[in-house]
Amino acid sequence: AQKITQTQPGMFVQEKEAVTLDCTYDTSDPSYGLFWYKQPSSGEMIFLIYQGSYDQQNATEGRYSLNFQKARKSANLVISASQLGDSAMYFCAMRENSNYQLIWGAGTKLIIKP
Amino acid sequence: DARVTQTPRHKVTEMGQEVTMRCQPILGHNTVFWYRQTMMQGLELLAYFRNRAPLDDSGMPKDRFSAEMPDATLATLKIQPSEPRDSAVYFCASGSLEAGFYGYTFGSGTRLTVV
Repeated sequence: AQKITQTQPGMFVQEKEAVTLDCTYDTSDPSYGLFWYKQPSSGEMIFLIYQGSYDQQNATEGRYSLNFQKARKSANLVISASQLGDSAMYFCAMRENSNYQLIWGAGTKLIIKP
Repeated sequence: DARVTQTPRHKVTEMGQEVTMRCQPILGHNTVFWYRQTMMQGLELLAYFRNRAPLDDSGMPKDRFSAEMPDATLATLKIQPSEPRDSAVYFCASGSLEAGFYGYTFGSGTRLTVV
């Protein structure tokens, strides 16, 4: 069974609009962490944001926020006021605290239109 | 900014040759991962180390791949002999839960082409 599901293979969004990238996860571990990474066309993997399963508040980092809905097992990434430079692949990942490795989603290719 | 350094950035080699990729994790990070990324398979975990000890290398083809951490500042991934199907981008990532940093930092990757 897929542990991390990203249902949007690709998205086109107009510049300056907000973007929501979907991610659902599956785990029976009560303690886990959720991550979003950005991979632009240059290829590097850039860590964006982290949410711990016990965190009471949704994580925010600048224009990035994580809409964490624990009961629904979703961890959507919200990018406010999108910019052309946000065009990239975005990966959702999970680390169960019983394990150090990250479990990855298939990614969403986001294209920002001018 | 602290960064994970991978060398070489690009490598083109002939089938059957040995390939060695190197990674310098961020100082103080005690967890190191090797990933392979291809269009078909996405990101695959090959191996990872904690405090230099290998914890899981089940993702590696054992007959040709080997991963080591000879010291805390160097992780290596070797392929011998290389095959065209090994062509991919290989990433190293490091992190440290004890340091309170919950994201793993990736290197720029080694783009390997085996012809």
